[in-house]
Amino acid sequence: DGGITQSPKYLFRKEGQNVTLSCEQNLNHDAMYWYRQDPGQGLRLIYYSQIVNDFQKGDIAEGYSVSREKKESFPLTVTSAQKNPTAFYLCASRRGGEETQYFGPGTRLLVL
Amino acid sequence: GNSVTQMEGPVTLSEEAFLTINCTYTATGYPSLFWYVQYPGEGLQLLLKATKADDKGSNKGFEATYRKETTSFHLEKGSVQVSDSAVYFCALSVTGGFKTIFGAGTRLFVKA
Repeated sequence: DGGITQSPKYLFRKEGQNVTLSCEQNLNHDAMYWYRQDPGQGLRLIYYSQIVNDFQKGDIAEGYSVSREKKESFPLTVTSAQKNPTAFYLCASRRGGEETQYFGPGTRLLVL
Repeated sequence: GNSVTQMEGPVTLSEEAFLTINCTYTATGYPSLFWYVQYPGEGLQLLLKATKADDKGSNKGFEATYRKETTSFHLEKGSVQVSDSAVYFCALSVTGGFKTIFGAGTRLFVKA
């Protein structure tokens, strides 16, 4: 089955620690996205990538970093500079020329 | 700029009641409009979409009509079920753009 996988489902971060959230897709989609969702709020765009080896900052990129070395993978690192990282993180992808986004199941990040 | 405004929730209905969730938008260019649904603890999934004015998107008993004159895309369902309890997001994507703009989401509770 084609789809998007995110791991882990839950992630705990200690103060001052960097953590990396995984996002993998086997849909052969060109574009990939990372969103942050806080309780009772909508989605805010962190980073997006249109093609391999290229990515752009979204609306709330500070304290986050990404890489896009392979078409299938778009990992997100939450750095120690992100002072309020507790949230639900969603990865999505989109086929070139289409507008529908396909979402993974999400990773919930909690701070210890 | 591009934006989406949807009615605040939560919306609480009894089973078999009629549902309307209002959504209005502002956009440059010619947007495609979407409704996504998020069930508890999961990612978003596309519910329906419309790509041009007067188009009606429909799926699982839900409908929405793209009204250019009122810049609206209201979601309706004639008879809701307990299983429809979820958060509903209105969204737009401008043709040729890479970003999708999401509304804040409306939580729906359906009581048996």
